[in-house]
Amino acid sequence: RKEVEQDPGPFNVPEGATVAFNCTYSNSASQSFFWYRQDCRKEPKLLMSVYSSGNEDGRFTAQLNRASQYISLLIRDSKLSDSATYLCVGENQAGTALIFGKGTTLSVSS
Amino acid sequence: DVKVTQSSRYLVKRTGEKVFLECVQDMDHENMFWYRQDPGLGLRLIYFSYDVKMKEKGDIPEGYSVSREKKERFSLILESASTNQTSMYLCASSFNSGREQYFGPGTRLTVT
Repeated sequence: RKEVEQDPGPFNVPEGATVAFNCTYSNSASQSFFWYRQDCRKEPKLLMSVYSSGNEDGRFTAQLNRASQYISLLIRDSKLSDSATYLCVGENQAGTALIFGKGTTLSVSS
Repeated sequence: DVKVTQSSRYLVKRTGEKVFLECVQDMDHENMFWYRQDPGLGLRLIYFSYDVKMKEKGDIPEGYSVSREKKERFSLILESASTNQTSMYLCASSFNSGREQYFGPGTRLTVT
């Protein structure tokens, strides 16, 4: 099993839609999880950390399910500007470094 | 705001050349990282450093070396560039292990 795995998509949704991404991780002892956003030909930028209790930032909600070892990102009321690749991040098996998923591509159209 | 800068945005080198990629962060972060990113392969960790003069191999260290003489600066060295090292190189820093990483703008290296 890959350490961090996510559906590459692409997810094509209309403006205003709600879209959810899931990401599975293999290190059951992992404590740190994040979602990053990467625009085409740009560097990844931190979108939000993922806390055990779940967290929300405006239209974005991140959740952690330890029992099933996955994290999720929910985007409500999608905007054209949300079009990007979303990277899921967990810890490697040794717990010594962060591991980035390959990313899920979202395309929001009008 | 954390700022991570990289010495070049675009670089073209010839096979066999020695290549230096420099990265500087201004937030007094302990950890620094070098990744390469290729289509379909995602971000792959080359080397990281958790302290000055300390370095650890990542997942793909072959063909690369690093140097961290000062806390704010982390250099990636390609001793003899090859065409399969054509890629986007991203530097990142973090306060410590397990904390979020902040990325520089990347260097797109082409080896011909």
